[in-house]
Amino acid sequence: EDQVTQSPEALRLQEGESSSLNCSYTVSGLRGLFWYRQDPGKGPEFLFTLYSAGEEKEKERLKATLTKKESFLHITAPKPEDSATYLCAVQAIWGGGTSYGKLTFGQGTILTVHP
Amino acid sequence: DVKVTQSSRYLVKRTGEKVFLECVQDMDHENMFWYRQDPGLGLRLIYFSYDVKMKEKGDIPEGYSVSREKKERFSLILESASTNQTSMYLCASSPREWLYGYTFGSGTRLTVV
Repeated sequence: EDQVTQSPEALRLQEGESSSLNCSYTVSGLRGLFWYRQDPGKGPEFLFTLYSAGEEKEKERLKATLTKKESFLHITAPKPEDSATYLCAVQAIWGGGTSYGKLTFGQGTILTVHP
Repeated sequence: DVKVTQSSRYLVKRTGEKVFLECVQDMDHENMFWYRQDPGLGLRLIYFSYDVKMKEKGDIPEGYSVSREKKERFSLILESASTNQTSMYLCASSPREWLYGYTFGSGTRLTVV
């Protein structure tokens, strides 16, 4: 069974204080690892897809990296508007090689950035 | 702007009622999904559909059914609502090509009393 564990559950930072969120996963065969951002009362918003170990993706103050067992979301010099819940999900090879896009999500990390 | 639209943001229903949650996407996506989101448990897949009239059970299908009569519309049905089905329900869609992430709706917060 595919599993995704995110840590920490909650993270409080001061504006400008860089840090990282962790996503550990176990999956029979990884097609892709996804990061989403979710604001209160809204649906998750897609950030990145990572496909293979060693890959990195960047978007503004966010950088996602991937190893064979985990992914990190690095936040550099965060601002209060980066406050949100960050979700990690894996997509496994499924159905005899055919994938319909099923994702397994972690429970999320709630990030709060204080001014 | 492409969208996944869920018919209700907030819904209050009584125990035993039959509840319909509607989701419509305008992106011509083949895949559609229903998740529920609960604190500490994350998003859990209820059902998904990869084509019109096709459906597959997710991880927690008990107490739910789905309908997809048209490509753009995917309905979640709670046959007899119970208090443990109080949750945030999220609909999502994606193209058949697996490289792309989901597009989510804004969610329906359902309370069963």
